[in-house]
Amino acid sequence: DTGVSQNPRHKITKRGQNVTFRCDPISEHNRLYWYRQTLGQGPEFLTYFQNEAQLEKSRLLSDRFSAERPKGSFSTLEIQRTEQGDSAMYLCASTDTSSYNEQFFGPGTRLTVL
Amino acid sequence: AQRVTQPEKLLSVFKGAPVELKCNYSYSGSPELFWYVQYSRQRLQLLLRHISRESIKGFTADLNKGETSFHLKKPFAQEEDSAMYYCALSGWGESNYQLIWGAGTKLIIKP
Repeated sequence: DTGVSQNPRHKITKRGQNVTFRCDPISEHNRLYWYRQTLGQGPEFLTYFQNEAQLEKSRLLSDRFSAERPKGSFSTLEIQRTEQGDSAMYLCASTDTSSYNEQFFGPGTRLTVL
Repeated sequence: AQRVTQPEKLLSVFKGAPVELKCNYSYSGSPELFWYVQYSRQRLQLLLRHISRESIKGFTADLNKGETSFHLKKPFAQEEDSAMYYCALSGWGESNYQLIWGAGTKLIIKP
C-alpha cells in the first residue's frame, strides 16, 4: 500500500456529460474525505465517509454531485450534467483514529469541463 | 463563522533569512490547527500540528488563542522550503474532523 490513489489523474469532458472519479484510500483507514480545489484557493470540503456511511455533505454541494463508498473501501464521486464551474482539482483524503486525525491525500483528479 | 485566513498569497525571501507565514482563524469551539505543505508536483502532506508541539524541517508554529493565530516560522530558510503552505483547522473532538482551509501562501526561497 503506497498511499491514497485516485483515478483518473486528468479528465476532460464536455459540458453536460457525466463523470466519475475513484479514490482508493489507505487500506486500514475508515474515514474518507472528498475536497475540491480551484486555482488560488485552499481545498473545500465536499463530503465525508466513515466506513460505508456518508456522514456529512457540504451544503454547497449541488445535487448533481453524488458519492458512494460501498463496502467501506474505495469511494467514487460522480458529477452529473457537468458545468464549466465544476472544473477543479478533486482531492481525496483518508485517515483513522490511529493517525490522530492526520489526513493523507491522494494526488487528485483534475477535471476540465469544456 | 469558521474561517482560516492566510493574508499573504506570495512570500519571497532569501536563503538564510527568517520566514514567517501568517495564519489567523475564526472558530467558536476548541480548534485543532495544522500546517500542510505541497511541494512542486507532489501531493498535500502534513507538516505539523499544534498539539504535537514539535519542530519539523526546522519549522515551528505556536497556537495563540488570544490573537487566534497559528503562524509558521523558520529561523533560516532553505531553498528546499519553496512550496505552497496551507493552514487548516478542525474542531477538536468533533466527530467528522472536517478540515477548513486557508487559501494558501506560496513561499519562494531565493538563492
